[in-house]
Amino acid sequence: AQKVTQAQTEISVVEKEDVTLDCVYETRDTTYYLFWYKQPPSGELVFLIRRNSFDEQNEISGRYSWNFQKSTSSFNFTITASQVVDSAVYFCALSERAYSGAGSYQLTFGKGTKLSVIP
Amino acid sequence: EAQVTQNPRYLITVTGKKLTVTCSQNMNHEYMSWYRQDPGLGLRQIYYSMNVEVTDKGDVPEGYKVSRKEKRNFPLILESPSPNQTSLYFCASSLGGPLHFGNGTRLTVT
Repeated sequence: AQKVTQAQTEISVVEKEDVTLDCVYETRDTTYYLFWYKQPPSGELVFLIRRNSFDEQNEISGRYSWNFQKSTSSFNFTITASQVVDSAVYFCALSERAYSGAGSYQLTFGKGTKLSVIP
Repeated sequence: EAQVTQNPRYLITVTGKKLTVTCSQNMNHEYMSWYRQDPGLGLRQIYYSMNVEVTDKGDVPEGYKVSRKEKRNFPLILESPSPNQTSLYFCASSLGGPLHFGNGTRLTVT
């Protein structure tokens, strides 16, 4: 069975500090997708990134970057020069390409990391 | 604008009073799903649907029903709500890419 672990329940940083959110996953599939979602205080879930298991290239988008390492089953998320607007709960998620068509859509979420950026 | 719309945003009800939370998407997505979010537990899937008239249980289906009579709509039905169903509910849809989520429905059952 698939599993996603976000060991950091809550993190506080001072504005402009860099912060890394950890995500470790377990899966038996060789083909799978990893995701990060952001949930700001307003409550909606905002998609940030999707990465498939064959693409281990790191991704950078502005102040956000993602480090995918299959060897350690990790998909960590770094925010550089954090801002107050980055305060949110961040979820890592995994979907497996199971034998049924539904497999590629079934997301297993971690329990989330609450990030507080202090001005 | 492409979106997933849930209604209502907030709902307070009493134990045993049947309720329906509606979900509609305008992106012609085949896949739709319901999740509930609880503190310390993250998001857990309740039911999902791969297409019209095709639904299946997720991880926590007890106490819930769904239907998919049309592609765009996927209502969540609580026939006899109980206090342990107090939660934040999200509907989501997809066409093979990432899930698009609605804004959530905060349900309180007293």
